[in-house]
Amino acid sequence: ETGVTQSPTHLIKTRGQQVTLRCSSQSGHNTVSWYQQALGQGPQFIFQYYREEENGRGNFPPRFSGLQFPNYSSELNVNALELDDSALYLCASSLAGSADTQYFGPGTRLTVL
Amino acid sequence: QKEVEQNSGPLSVPEGAIASLNCTYSDRGSQSFFWYRQYSGKSPELIMSIYSNGDKEDGRFTAQLNKASQYVSLLIRDSQPSDSATYLCAVTPSGGYQKVTFGIGTKLQVIP
Repeated sequence: ETGVTQSPTHLIKTRGQQVTLRCSSQSGHNTVSWYQQALGQGPQFIFQYYREEENGRGNFPPRFSGLQFPNYSSELNVNALELDDSALYLCASSLAGSADTQYFGPGTRLTVL
Repeated sequence: QKEVEQNSGPLSVPEGAIASLNCTYSDRGSQSFFWYRQYSGKSPELIMSIYSNGDKEDGRFTAQLNKASQYVSLLIRDSQPSDSATYLCAVTPSGGYQKVTFGIGTKLQVIP
């Protein structure tokens, strides 16, 4: 197991609601990336945070937002939930500039009804 | 054209055989190449990384990279039923940050 933790494990929300997912990085890792993995698909990059700033963003609308805290933990916030937001949300921590140190957490399974 | 393309499978091989998994990518400036293994209901786990043309071996796994053909492959020798999983090819593009772009993954089934 990696040292990356995520909470909650599972979550059920209704369309239009807002959700916050949390991630704690592996010790020593200063970069956090968030991915969305729909069923049967590969993970899709949402964004990355380094030194509490967004350091790159994938093709996701602004209702997906994030935060990184001084201890390198992170949150993913999704507003105005849509049915298509149902997916596994993965957090990965790494050292800056070193994608081969990227370790994934167990994920949060979000279901939007 | 997708940035990273893989055949979704399933790829079925008998136990003890060599499994060959393939991936192509569109960004010619891509820097780094990875293979992740993902068991059903679990998160991806990095099994191989490769940065330069040629072969890289680690135990039963060999990654092969051909930048001219924009092609990455993973060979698994002496396949075991425990190797049954989805194998994700991933690439970091040219650019300044660590965005990792994944393919759809190839489902491998090793038949005992």
